[in-house]
Amino acid sequence: AQKITQTQPGMFVQEKEAVTLDCTYDTSDPSYGLFWYKQPSSGEMIFLIYQGSYDQQNATEGRYSLNFQKARKSANLVISASQLGDSAMYFCAMRDRGGNNRKLIWGLGTSLAVNP
Amino acid sequence: DGGITQSPKYLFRKEGQNVTLSCEQNLNHDAMYWYRQDPGQGLRLIYYSQIVNDFQKGDIAEGYSVSREKKESFPLTVTSAQKNPTAFYLCASSIGLETVYGYTFGSGTRLTVV
Repeated sequence: AQKITQTQPGMFVQEKEAVTLDCTYDTSDPSYGLFWYKQPSSGEMIFLIYQGSYDQQNATEGRYSLNFQKARKSANLVISASQLGDSAMYFCAMRDRGGNNRKLIWGLGTSLAVNP
Repeated sequence: DGGITQSPKYLFRKEGQNVTLSCEQNLNHDAMYWYRQDPGQGLRLIYYSQIVNDFQKGDIAEGYSVSREKKESFPLTVTSAQKNPTAFYLCASSIGLETVYGYTFGSGTRLTVV
C-alpha cells in the first residue's frame, strides 16, 4: 500500500543554519510525484516544492531543495539558512497512479522550531 | 488576487445539527477537495470533485455531504451522522486531478462540537 513516513515529530534548528526534514515513501507505481507543504500556526497549507519520479535532477525552489534518493525511496526536504518564519509544521505528500490517482497521500508531519 | 476562501474560520455545532462549511475559489481550477485534519493524523480526504455536478467520496466520506453546482464553489455539509466532527477542515483546489503544481489550500475552518 502507498505510504508516506515522516519519522521526526519535532525538530529544532538555529537561525541561519540548514535543516533536513526526512520523508520516506512506499509505492509500487513507477510514476509518482512527491510534494512538500508548510503549515504555519495560521493553518493554511503552503505548497513548497515538487519532485516527479522521472525528474533527473533534484528539485529546488529558493531556500528549499529536495534530496531525492529514488533507490532508498526517500525525499528529504532541505531548508537552507533557516529563518524564524520557517517555524511551522511540514508535510510530505505523494501522488501516484496506483489505484486512485485523485488524491495525495500524506505523512503525519514534522514540527520545525527555529531558534533565534 | 486569486485564491481560496473558506468561511467561517471558527464554527461551533450543537449535537444533532447539520452545519455547512463554505469554500470558494477564483483560480479557475477544475478540481476541488475537502480534507479533514486531526492532531497527529495528518490530512484525510473527505470528498473531491473534478468538474461541476460531479464529486467522488474520499477515504472518510461517511457523515459528510457536498455539492458542486458552480465551478467556483464546493461547500461541505457536516451532518448529524458524523459522530466526531470536531476537527480542522481544509478545502483545496488544483488545475486538474494530475498536476505537478500541487494544491492551493484555503485557510481552513475549525469546527467544534459544543
